[in-house]
Amino acid sequence: KAGVTQTPRYLIKTRGQQVTLSCSPISGHRSVSWYQQTPGQGLQFLFEYFSETQRNKGNFPGRFSGRQFSNSRSEMNVSTLELGDSALYLCASSLYGSTEAFFGQGTRLTVV
Amino acid sequence: QQQVKQSPQSLIVQKGGIPIINCAYENTAFDYFPWYQQFPGKGPALLIAIRPDVSEKKEGRFTISFNKSAKQFSLHIMDSQPGDSATYFCAAKGTGFQKLVFGTGTRLLVSP
Repeated sequence: KAGVTQTPRYLIKTRGQQVTLSCSPISGHRSVSWYQQTPGQGLQFLFEYFSETQRNKGNFPGRFSGRQFSNSRSEMNVSTLELGDSALYLCASSLYGSTEAFFGQGTRLTVV
Repeated sequence: QQQVKQSPQSLIVQKGGIPIINCAYENTAFDYFPWYQQFPGKGPALLIAIRPDVSEKKEGRFTISFNKSAKQFSLHIMDSQPGDSATYFCAAKGTGFQKLVFGTGTRLLVSP
């Protein structure tokens, strides 16, 4: 069974630009969560989607948004990028009703 | 109340030793406690998890000990190997669409 797939693996963007990251969950998994990982703040929850609806949201500004499609694939978008948005963005998928979350390899975003 | 405190920040053991990583939580609504292992450049991988109704769980060389009254849990790695060198994160989660709350991570180095 294929794992969680995140694309692209690496991104370099300029301050002020916007970026879209993609996540394909494990087949059959309908819940997708996003996390930001930085050396200073560790792993921080961004949001969770299930059945194309945002079910939970972390404490991030409105520049961070996401969506989920009918095939459970998810995207997150960050607008007006800031230097502090440089991080590893991780996507995790889980079966509905299951607590086990499986992470992808992440997208390394660098804002210059 | 949402925090999970993890210690130590880093740990060096010799091959064959038993590193122990500790975590503590405050929120009694947490009912799922996983441990993740992360290698450089990779996403966190689910290692082992426990629920509060169990005091100990073993999977291979990895053991979780759980003390519900003290609100603490720990990871023990038996017969540690150089390949176990990685960063380990504890986490906690409540029921439903609740986020995973991560500890700050422990960087483990197992020397040959």
